Amino acid sequence: AQTVTQSQPEMSVQEAETVTLSCTYDTSESNYYLFWYKQPPSRQMILVIRQEAYKQQNATENRFSVNFQKAAKSFSLKISDSQLGDTAMYFCAFSTQGGSEKLVFGKGTKLTVNP
Amino acid sequence: DTAVSQTPKYLVTQMGNDKSIKCEQNLGHDTMYWYKQDSKKFLKIMFSYNNKELIINETVPNRFSPKSPDKAHLNLHINSLELGDSAVYFCASSQGPDRHGYTFGSGTRLTVV
Repeated sequence: AQTVTQSQPEMSVQEAETVTLSCTYDTSESNYYLFWYKQPPSRQMILVIRQEAYKQQNATENRFSVNFQKAAKSFSLKISDSQLGDTAMYFCAFSTQGGSEKLVFGKGTKLTVNP
Repeated sequence: DTAVSQTPKYLVTQMGNDKSIKCEQNLGHDTMYWYKQDSKKFLKIMFSYNNKELIINETVPNRFSPKSPDKAHLNLHINSLELGDSAVYFCASSQGPDRHGYTFGSGTRLTVV
């Protein structure tokens, strides 16, 4: 069974600084997908970034980038130039390849951006 | 135009009652899911349907019964509600993680009193 571990229950960062959220996972699959989702106080689940395991290049989306280390089974999220609106729960998630595969989530990291 | 819509957004009910949560997606996705987020924010899959067929049923009490009348709708009916059922329930849809990823509804906060 796949598992996802987020070892930082809470983190805080000053506005405009950079923060990295950690995620490790366990799987025996060779083809899979990794995701970071953001859940602000509004409760909506928002996709931040997605990484295909077969791609060596790390995904980036504006201020968000990942450090994907396949051998180490590590998938960290870097947020640059942190903004107050980045305050949210961040969930790392895993999915195997296939049309009906489920998302397996980590327990989340609560990020607070301080002014 | 909301991609995945759930109703109601909030539901407060007494123990022992039966309630339903509805979900509709207009993305043309083949697969729909129900996830439960507990009081510690942990998200766990409950069910998934692919084109109206049940694919995943993750050790959920049989008081929970999903129903998919067509591939755009996945409803969740809960019988004999218990205090422990209080949670946020998310509907999601997908055309596969290799295509569009997963799109979530805004969640239904169920409170059983």
